[in-house]
Amino acid sequence: DVRLLESGGGLVQPGGSLRLSCAASGFTFSDYAITWVRQAPGKGLEWVSALTASGRNTYYADSVKGRFTISRDNSRDTVYLQMDSLRAEDSAIYYCAKSFWDVPRGYFDCWGQGTLVSVSS
Amino acid sequence: EIVMTQSPATLSVSPGVRATLSCRASQSVSSNLAWYQQKPGQAPRLVMYGASTRATGIPARFSGSGSGTEFTLTITSLQSEDSAVYYCQHYNAWPATLGQGTRLEIK
Repeated sequence: DVRLLESGGGLVQPGGSLRLSCAASGFTFSDYAITWVRQAPGKGLEWVSALTASGRNTYYADSVKGRFTISRDNSRDTVYLQMDSLRAEDSAIYYCAKSFWDVPRGYFDCWGQGTLVSVSS
Repeated sequence: EIVMTQSPATLSVSPGVRATLSCRASQSVSSNLAWYQQKPGQAPRLVMYGASTRATGIPARFSGSGSGTEFTLTITSLQSEDSAVYYCQHYNAWPATLGQGTRLEIK
């Protein structure tokens, strides 16, 4: 059974940091790209960051570039999203999603259940 | 960046009838188009890919069509469980942008 499980969300003050994790199971993790997608309360889906299966290529939305860092450990079947200099507008549910291919340019055939990030003083 | 526009924003239909959801791309995305279903409190779920191929476990009541810039998701014999927000996403290039969603309400 293909599964993704996010963790690491929580309440943080503006300017603070969080590291999200996305643990995968049920498939050959190192063969597929992973994307982080977020959803602010009552809003639509917005892609945040992605990386290729190898981890060599990374991609960021303009809204998080320079503040977020995506990485993966294929030996642990886990993707990470390091979020620094957090802002109120980063508050959202963060989902990790598996791409159908080894590059992010694909549809997402599996999503995690999400982890909530709240940025507030 | 390709912009995906969905219409209508909200669709309210009765059980048993057909719903038609539209998605338009700002430039051609060939058939590289997916649809997702998101129910309240749940993660999105893949419904359709390649514009017209149903994902695993999706009933035959769901069908997709279109290519280029105009796409449609059709759900026949609507059931209460189909109530959700539906998003389209192209994956013809990076970033693989998503539409703003159509909320489907079953009266």
